[in-house]
Amino acid sequence: EPEVTQTPSHQVTQMGQEVILRCVPISNHLYFYWYRQILGQKVEFLVSFYNNEISEKSEIFDDQFSVERPDGSNFTLKIRSTKLEDSAMYFCASSLATRTDTQYFGPGTRLTVL
Amino acid sequence: QKEVEQNSGPLSVPEGAIASLNCTYSDRVSQSFFWYRQYSGKSPELIMSIYSNGDKEDGRFTAQLNKASQYVSLLIRDSQPSDSATYLCAVKHQAGTALIFGKGTTLSVSS
Repeated sequence: EPEVTQTPSHQVTQMGQEVILRCVPISNHLYFYWYRQILGQKVEFLVSFYNNEISEKSEIFDDQFSVERPDGSNFTLKIRSTKLEDSAMYFCASSLATRTDTQYFGPGTRLTVL
Repeated sequence: QKEVEQNSGPLSVPEGAIASLNCTYSDRVSQSFFWYRQYSGKSPELIMSIYSNGDKEDGRFTAQLNKASQYVSLLIRDSQPSDSATYLCAVKHQAGTALIFGKGTTLSVSS
């Protein structure tokens, strides 16, 4: 069964450094998403992406965040200058086509900012 | 502000019992409703989606939606210890792409 994959599974970085989290969505899916979950808290939406542009973003997704689909398979989330409070699990998700479709989540990347 | 509310639990049931999980949402134009299961340290895993008022059954799981009351529930029949997890209710606005999650209800099934 096709699944969303994410790399790395765990990323440790120093405060102020840039990180890039990578995702490979399910191959025939057209909508891509990033969510984050701070330890012990709820899953929070960051951004959705369709047809090579941002479709929707939350208040969390400020100027230090960016997304990109650099090729036909990868979808990336860049955090330009990490802060301690960016420490969280970051989940990538994808959905087939329409806005009402189910979103399937990847296994996540645990980001630790020291 | 779109909110999704769930009792955090823990909800404890014996093996073989019915577990009932509840969720309310604040935005009346919400269109799509999802139940995800999340094991500790893992990603959300879809259990069911529901879009219309009424019941939807899939194996041991039944989702119920009442848009007038802004209420969605999940029943798990014949609960198993492997069902022990946090159950996340997620709602999608009619015009949006984002899933709005509740904090989740922790279910513990004892053998």
